[in-house]
Amino acid sequence: QKEVEQNSGPLSVPEGAIASLNCTYSDRGSQSFFWYRQYSGKSPELIMSIYSNGDKEDGRFTAQLNKASQYVSLLIRDSQPSDSATYLCAVIEVNFGNEKLTFGTGTRLTIIP
Amino acid sequence: EPEVTQTPSHQVTQMGQEVILRCVPISNHLYFYWYRQILGQKVEFLVSFYNNEISEKSEIFDDQFSVERPDGSNFTLKIRSTKLEDSAMYFCASRIRAWSTDTQYFGPGTRLTVL
Repeated sequence: QKEVEQNSGPLSVPEGAIASLNCTYSDRGSQSFFWYRQYSGKSPELIMSIYSNGDKEDGRFTAQLNKASQYVSLLIRDSQPSDSATYLCAVIEVNFGNEKLTFGTGTRLTIIP
Repeated sequence: EPEVTQTPSHQVTQMGQEVILRCVPISNHLYFYWYRQILGQKVEFLVSFYNNEISEKSEIFDDQFSVERPDGSNFTLKIRSTKLEDSAMYFCASRIRAWSTDTQYFGPGTRLTVL
């Protein structure tokens, strides 16, 4: 069973600061990585995807991937109270050509006004 | 913007009863998935479906579970005899292709409560 590990938090960050979320994965062959945001009682909502080593920026969000260290991170700049949610790291797991998402337990982020 | 829809939003049932959870994937998508999330736990893969057959299923997806695409638009998950531990949020997802770079889009979920 492939594993995706996240610090469950909670992580509290003042409004306007940078929130940093981390994730490690066990399958060295993984190629596709996703960050989803999940509000309480709601479904996962895609925030970022990343496939290559390095940084990928989209607005206030930056995803960082280091395949050698099997590490993915998400930075949220200028944090807003609406960013308060659980952030799920997910990895595509391939099994005999079939793909599925394997999720971490999520990190609960609270932005303090 | 096209989206995955699910009905009902909340289903309450008695232990041992059959339930059917319904999903309408995005219309041009070809790959379909069910995931579940027990309260406070991680989102877990149940089953994937392509070309009218199951591609992969998890250990959770035992003989009590089945999936069907009865009419080319709906995608259903049936639990034949529900147990208390089946209480969870069930999410349907769809994807246009099976390329690793293609996103899975999630529906809003059905909250199943087994009493």
